[in-house]
Amino acid sequence: GAGVSQSPRYKVAKRGQDVALRCDPISGHVSLFWYQQALGQGPEFLTYFQNEAQLDKSGLPSDRFFAERPEGSVSTLKIQRTQQEDSAVYLCASSLAQGRGLGNQPQHFGDGTRLSIL
Amino acid sequence: AQSVTQLDSHVSVSEGTPVLLRCNYSSSYSPSLFWYVQHPNKGLQLLLKYTSAATLVKGINGFEAEFKKSETSFHLTKPSAHMSDAAEYFCVVSDPWDGSSNTGKLIFGQGTTLQVKP
Repeated sequence: GAGVSQSPRYKVAKRGQDVALRCDPISGHVSLFWYQQALGQGPEFLTYFQNEAQLDKSGLPSDRFFAERPEGSVSTLKIQRTQQEDSAVYLCASSLAQGRGLGNQPQHFGDGTRLSIL
Repeated sequence: AQSVTQLDSHVSVSEGTPVLLRCNYSSSYSPSLFWYVQHPNKGLQLLLKYTSAATLVKGINGFEAEFKKSETSFHLTKPSAHMSDAAEYFCVVSDPWDGSSNTGKLIFGQGTTLQVKP
């Protein structure tokens, strides 16, 4: 079966441009997470969706970052007016579990989108 | 707040010799702990998970980890390294769900790069 799919795999943008990153989770997975992985670091949480509801956006670094999941499946992470410090790999993960079950179930990761801001 | 500390940023072993990757955790709760592996330009793959069942957890590709509450450790081991084990390894704790500020997000260590020499 298909895993988590992210597109594009690589994105190069000029500083100040807007970008949109797409995540197709595993079919039927209720929970969806976005993480940011800077070079040489572990991933850091950005935001969490349960179906279409964004329940946690505490990790978004600024109001330039916006995520949505309007129909509870595909999610888009948008970054407006990109800055060089936004350069990173953006990882999407999905899980069949929700709520209290999340701690006991693994999250399944996509291959990520590598974003480079020039 | 929960956290994990990976004690070695880089480990080098010879093919066929044992692997030990060290991880200590800090948690106010009974933690859920994971080890993930990341090969270059790929997403994260789950190696194994601990969720308060057996303290010795067996994972894929011959890896295992032992949960030691008294030492707050969750070290990853493998009896005999293979060239294909060369990758980045992350020790991860899951934020427990409480319906408000904690939503099951993963908290990653800084990672350990495993080098396997022929």
